[in-house]
Amino acid sequence: KQEVTQIPAALSVPEGENLVLNCSFTDSAIYNLQWFRQDPGKGLTSLLLIQSSQREQTSGRLNASLDKSSGRSTLYIAASQPGDSATYLCAVITGGGNKLTFGTGTQLKVEL
Amino acid sequence: DAGITQSPRHKVTETGTPVTLRCHQTENHRYMYWYRQDPGHGLRLIHYSYGVKDTDKGEVSDGYSVSRSKTEDFLLTLESATSSQTSVYFCAISDGQGGNTIYFGEGSWLTVV
Repeated sequence: KQEVTQIPAALSVPEGENLVLNCSFTDSAIYNLQWFRQDPGKGLTSLLLIQSSQREQTSGRLNASLDKSSGRSTLYIAASQPGDSATYLCAVITGGGNKLTFGTGTQLKVEL
Repeated sequence: DAGITQSPRHKVTETGTPVTLRCHQTENHRYMYWYRQDPGHGLRLIHYSYGVKDTDKGEVSDGYSVSRSKTEDFLLTLESATSSQTSVYFCAISDGQGGNTIYFGEGSWLTVV
């Protein structure tokens, strides 16, 4: 059974800092990995998707990397802003059915 | 934003009553999913559908049933609601295998009293 772990569970940083969120998974036979953002009381917004054949994806200040063999992904946020405060979730697709298995998330707070 | 509408968005119901949540999409995507989100457990898959009338169980399917009679609609039914089913329920859609982004609805908050 695929298990996804995110460390740390919570993180507080000052504005402007670069930061890294970590995601690890136990079964390396994934189809892709997806990073999401969730604001309090809201749904999930897709940030980046990395296919199993890719090493990284970038969108603006966000960069996600994938190392399938070691079962790890990182989400790098450059020059953090208070508006980046949210919970960040990673999820992997393993096996048939296009189903996501989620980590429990990292709650990020960016302070002025 | 992907065209996903969940209804109702908020509901309070009594233990033992049936409840149906509806997910409607305008994207003509093949795959549809129901997840629940609970503190300490994260998001867990309840059921999913890979086509009209084609559904399968997820990891927490006990006490839930689903139906998909049209591409655009995926219904989640709690046959007899229990307090343990108090949760936030999210519908999601995807158009293909592996390499395609999965999009989520805004959620349905269900309280069983």
